Amino acid sequence: SAVISQKPSRDICQRGTSLTIQCQVDSQVTMMFWYRQQPGQSLTLIATANQGSEATYESGFVIDKFPISRPNLTFSTLTVSNMSPEDSSIYLCSERAGPQETQYFGPGTRLLVL
Amino acid sequence: GDSVTQMEGPVTLSEEAFLTINCTYTATGYPSLFWYVQYPGEGLQLLLKATKADDKGSNKGFEATYRKETTSFHLEKGSVQVSDSAVYFCAALIKAAGNKLTFGGGTRVLVKP
Repeated sequence: SAVISQKPSRDICQRGTSLTIQCQVDSQVTMMFWYRQQPGQSLTLIATANQGSEATYESGFVIDKFPISRPNLTFSTLTVSNMSPEDSSIYLCSERAGPQETQYFGPGTRLLVL
Repeated sequence: GDSVTQMEGPVTLSEEAFLTINCTYTATGYPSLFWYVQYPGEGLQLLLKATKADDKGSNKGFEATYRKETTSFHLEKGSVQVSDSAVYFCAALIKAAGNKLTFGGGTRVLVKP
């Protein structure tokens, strides 16, 4: 499996600001994803990050709120825009080598919005 | 629709007790099945997996068998340790769901010395 790192590991932000989370994978992967884990909850898929094109968002998530970039096969960013306390969550980057392959997760970014 | 259901927690056990966490899925076809574990303050780690019926995944003393007849993938460990305290997630990779990983709600396990 690829090694996945995320920066920052945690942050405390003020309402109305934006935070960009970086995800780096140590080998080229086909599929990258971003998930949100609200406190005490399971994981919810935000979007699939597509290399060189716009991300594919799940129902309930929009590009204006969660813009995503994926400039190459090893790197992606997720921005949480115009944050409110409801955005306080763990945001996890994930990768899968192929459609039927095992999916692996990064360590997560713990975000608290005041 | 496609879904994964697992028993709710928290599950509290004494050290060396037997652990079972039930997981069932609803899906068209035969998905690949996974158990992930999330230790406090960490991300998700793959614990074990099974890709076809009757496969048994195992790791770190944990086991789960893919049961097609009951659409289940229950997680078991014969003798838990305090270090097994974590949240466990069952997940299914469902082709009909666009090859997206579908998660159960998670089960928190607390092992007391």
